Amino acid sequence: NAGVMQNPRHLVRRRGQEARLRCSPMKGHSHVYWYRQLPEEGLKFMVYLQKENIIDESGMPKERFSAEFPKEGPSILRIQQVVRGDSAAYFCASSPRVGNTEAFFGQGTRLTVV
Amino acid sequence: AQKVTQAQTEISVVEKEDVTLDCVYETRDTTYYLFWYKQPPSGELVFLIRRNSFDEQNEISGRYSWNFQKSTSSFNFTITASQVVDSAVYFCALSERARDDKIIFGKGTRLHILP
Repeated sequence: NAGVMQNPRHLVRRRGQEARLRCSPMKGHSHVYWYRQLPEEGLKFMVYLQKENIIDESGMPKERFSAEFPKEGPSILRIQQVVRGDSAAYFCASSPRVGNTEAFFGQGTRLTVV
Repeated sequence: AQKVTQAQTEISVVEKEDVTLDCVYETRDTTYYLFWYKQPPSGELVFLIRRNSFDEQNEISGRYSWNFQKSTSSFNFTITASQVVDSAVYFCALSERARDDKIIFGKGTRLHILP
């Protein structure tokens, strides 16, 4: 039973490019959370999605960032026109349902903006 | 408001010593979960424990033990007979049923175990 899979593990983008981070939740999990970890800091909640729905995006920057979790396929965190300050580790967690907080984390995607 | 405080930014101990990592949390919810995660130098997050708000029993797992005290809103983590492989950043975290179980992390404690 594979865990939460994130890819790529490392991503390098030039300023102004787009970054797409993918997260495949554990089998049977329909809830996905994205977190960002800036260098030398803890993880901060960004967005919570269920299949085809954004439930809570209170932690997402207002511009350039978007997330989706389609009916089929992985959840995608998209960052448009990346800037150096977007360099961070992005973690995804999945859960089978609300109220059962078995939040399983992926290994993260380390984004470097050059 | 929900909040997790890990006052110890960095700790260094000599191998085989015991070390306790402190965690204090704030929440208005009566139903919540507390977590500890380990982040080794390789960067992944390793889940260590989850404790729900209705279970104040202390837990021991090998060299690891956790002390949950609702009266002081603390969930401290002790490593007994520390080893060099315990060197990592440790995060305490909180999730609340009323907030869709999203996890609020403390800033972490960087633990150095010196040989």
